[in-house]
Amino acid sequence: AQSVTQLGSHVSVSEGALVLLRCNYSSSVPPYLFWYVQYPNQGLQLLLKYTSAATLVKGINGFEAEFKKSETSFHLTKPSAHMSDAAEYFCAVSTSGGYNKLIFGAGTRLAVHP
Amino acid sequence: EAGVTQFPSHSVIEKGQTVTLRCDPISGHDNLYWYRRVMGKEIKFLLHFVKESKQDESGMPNNRFLAERTGGTYSTLKVQPAELEDSGVYFCASSQTSGGVGEQFFGPGTRLTVL
Repeated sequence: AQSVTQLGSHVSVSEGALVLLRCNYSSSVPPYLFWYVQYPNQGLQLLLKYTSAATLVKGINGFEAEFKKSETSFHLTKPSAHMSDAAEYFCAVSTSGGYNKLIFGAGTRLAVHP
Repeated sequence: EAGVTQFPSHSVIEKGQTVTLRCDPISGHDNLYWYRRVMGKEIKFLLHFVKESKQDESGMPNNRFLAERTGGTYSTLKVQPAELEDSGVYFCASSQTSGGVGEQFFGPGTRLTVL
């Protein structure tokens, strides 16, 4: 069985500060890992994905995530937060590259203040 | 290229009534998924179509939920009769069958409120 834990349902940072959103997964098979973002009144948008290639994955809008098998983690980071990054972020795991169901974490709402 | 669309965006119904949600996937996407997020909890998988066939319906909560995908294009999700605990946001997603990593593209969701 697969599962995802996102530590911190709410994270608040100052504009220009480092963004760190935590995700730990559990999977009995090599996982595919995803980060999605949801802006208000919009659908989920894929930020980045890990598919067993490079462990450091770069995504859109300056975000990146590092797959650490030993820690079963896939934390999302961005060096400098922008006001436009305020949204809800979801980590998800799948047994395939996205053809099968995604198992989501509970989400982390990111607030960015001036 | 149009994205995944869902209709309606919001629906408010009384307990015991019937509601039908519709999802139009991206053209050419054979895979269609339904997910649900209840009360700020995690987004949970409901079912997966490949064309018109149900590939995986392990997440369907009970027999009050009926999903169809006639002709392998758009899909409907009917809740009959609706209960209070069915309130939440219902997301639809689609992906290609082959090529790439099968990224799932999500619609904006339908917010269902059962009173």
